[in-house]
Amino acid sequence: GAVVSQHPSRVICKSGTSVKIECRSLDFQATTMFWYRQFPKQSLMLMATSNEGSKATYEQGVEKDKFLINHASLTLSTLTVTSAHPEDSSFYICSARAAYGYTFGSGTRLTVV
Amino acid sequence: AQTVTQSQPEMSVQEAETVTLSCTYDTSESNYYLFWYKQPPSRQMILVIRQEAYKQQNATENRFSVNFQKAAKSFSLKISDSQLGDTAMYFCSTGANSKLTFGKGITLSVRP
Repeated sequence: GAVVSQHPSRVICKSGTSVKIECRSLDFQATTMFWYRQFPKQSLMLMATSNEGSKATYEQGVEKDKFLINHASLTLSTLTVTSAHPEDSSFYICSARAAYGYTFGSGTRLTVV
Repeated sequence: AQTVTQSQPEMSVQEAETVTLSCTYDTSESNYYLFWYKQPPSRQMILVIRQEAYKQQNATENRFSVNFQKAAKSFSLKISDSQLGDTAMYFCSTGANSKLTFGKGITLSVRP
């Protein structure tokens, strides 16, 4: 139980375009989801906390207008990287709090060319 | 505020041996949880073990066990009978009813 599905697993986009990443809780309702960014061999860096039906809470230093988060239902949160640039290339992971702890999506590797 | 410190960046262990990964933390929460997550090369985050701070008994999950020292704010992970599949990055983390805070992680290599 408590599975989070994240899509796509990999995406390559051109510089200047936007990319949407979806995170779905499959067998439970997630009022809160978390979005992380991870560079190779480094820890997870929390970008924002996504709350169903309200605005996301962004961590200090994260550009709200570049990383748009929408949490319109209890099972879906989306992260849109707008006007992507090569420096946005990274591994993005979503997470949700479940009964026994926190469960994670499988991640999205974004490459901006 | 929460902080998690993993001071060892890398460790190596022989297959079938035992290894202990260190972690210290600090939190202002009175009720909180502690977790160890494993991230293999696939990069999927996998929960290894969790500990409720109010429980004195150390959590165990098969070959994995923790040494939870609340007063010292220490939460180490012991892996017994190490297997090749245990090769991964391991992250110690803490959280209450909100976001998780992660340590920097440790890369564990199991040698055949």
